[in-house]
Amino acid sequence: DADVTQTPRNRITKTGKRIMLECSQTKGHDRMYWYRQDPGLGLRLIYYSFDVKDINKGEISDGYSVSRQAQAKFSLSLESAIPNQTALYFCATGEHTDTQYFGPGTRLTVL
Amino acid sequence: GQQLNQSPQSMFIQEGEDVSMNCTSSSIFNTWLWYKQDPGEGPVLLIALYKAGELTSNGRLTAQFGITRKDSFLNISASIPSDVGIYFCAGHARANSKLTFGKGITLSVRP
Repeated sequence: DADVTQTPRNRITKTGKRIMLECSQTKGHDRMYWYRQDPGLGLRLIYYSFDVKDINKGEISDGYSVSRQAQAKFSLSLESAIPNQTALYFCATGEHTDTQYFGPGTRLTVL
Repeated sequence: GQQLNQSPQSMFIQEGEDVSMNCTSSSIFNTWLWYKQDPGEGPVLLIALYKAGELTSNGRLTAQFGITRKDSFLNISASIPSDVGIYFCAGHARANSKLTFGKGITLSVRP
């Protein structure tokens, strides 16, 4: 079984819709991260959490929100999706900041 | 801000050849990581380096943490078709709560 899982793996939605992407991990790590990946721009950090009561904005948090429901679960929400949020989204976990393990990703398309 | 430079953007090699990739920075990092990403999947951690000068192998892969702490290289020996993918470097500076990523090198292997 995969240590870091993401659901859904693919999603197509329309502008203005609310979308939630979910991440679960069985690695027992306290630290969890959400990134987006765009061609030519690499991986950019959206939000991160160092434990259940800790939420921090990354470099591109506008238009996104997160919820850390438990140590093992970290969700990313787009309250009102827009086309330029079309991207690959990755969740990552780590025991420490300096080593992170990524999930398989969610491909999101906003029409 | 901190940046990691990976070039060229793409590399094309013949099956069986060795290939070396560099990652450089103007800033010092305390950890260097190398990831591989297959199409449609998340980055997979290949090698993690935690000490300046450290040389670590993982099968046909060898990576080194530069003495100046401002660079790292990854070497793949005797390449095979499944080595195709995008190779990212990432660095962590002790004062930071985040990883810094390079934009990746796309490796193609001709059979």
